[in-house]
Amino acid sequence: GNSVTQMEGPVTLSEEAFLTINCTYTATGYPSLFWYVQYPGEGLQLLLKATKADDKGSNKGFEATYRKETTSFHLEKGSVQVSDSAVYFCADQGGTGGSYIPTFGRGTSLIVHP
Amino acid sequence: ETGVTQTPRHLVMGMTNKKSLKCEQHLGHNAMYWYKQSAKKPLELMFVYNFKEQTENNSVPSRFSPECPNSSHLFLHLHTLQPEDSALYLCASSQERGAYEQYFGPGTRLTVT
Repeated sequence: GNSVTQMEGPVTLSEEAFLTINCTYTATGYPSLFWYVQYPGEGLQLLLKATKADDKGSNKGFEATYRKETTSFHLEKGSVQVSDSAVYFCADQGGTGGSYIPTFGRGTSLIVHP
Repeated sequence: ETGVTQTPRHLVMGMTNKKSLKCEQHLGHNAMYWYKQSAKKPLELMFVYNFKEQTENNSVPSRFSPECPNSSHLFLHLHTLQPEDSALYLCASSQERGAYEQYFGPGTRLTVT
């Protein structure tokens, strides 16, 4: 079956640092790609998405570009804040012969210090 | 109420108890999902309902019994659970079972003693 691989955490940064969280997927064809965020004590919420190659999803200063050639969807933010501390999940859905149930990565914990 | 709500938010139950988790979505969606989230483990899909019909059962033990009376409500009935079933149980919905983003509730934190 498909799998989504994220970098291991926790990622610890100082406020205003640059953030990258790597994500790669194995689904073939053109799956939809998502980043979800889970704040402490809450469920997951959609952060951004991209549905075709070279699309860039963006929200709240976060960005990720759908790279078909490298099967990647890395999450970036230019200047993180303490309030960005959360767990981030990459997910794919669909694709050629793929399941229409999302496949989630294991999550990457981000800790931002003042 | 908006979005996806779950009750109760916290539940402590003994191994011989019977309890139910409730999920309600106010988004007009037609697909609903149950997930189990345990510490240091990937998110586990348990059940999927699409237009009230169960379409996925991800090899879940029979001590977990889902029920979907309509597209807005989803229940998870629990009986004779084990301590390893302690986890955060998340409900989600999407427009349909397809390549659509999911909307999650806040979860029920379950502790089995």
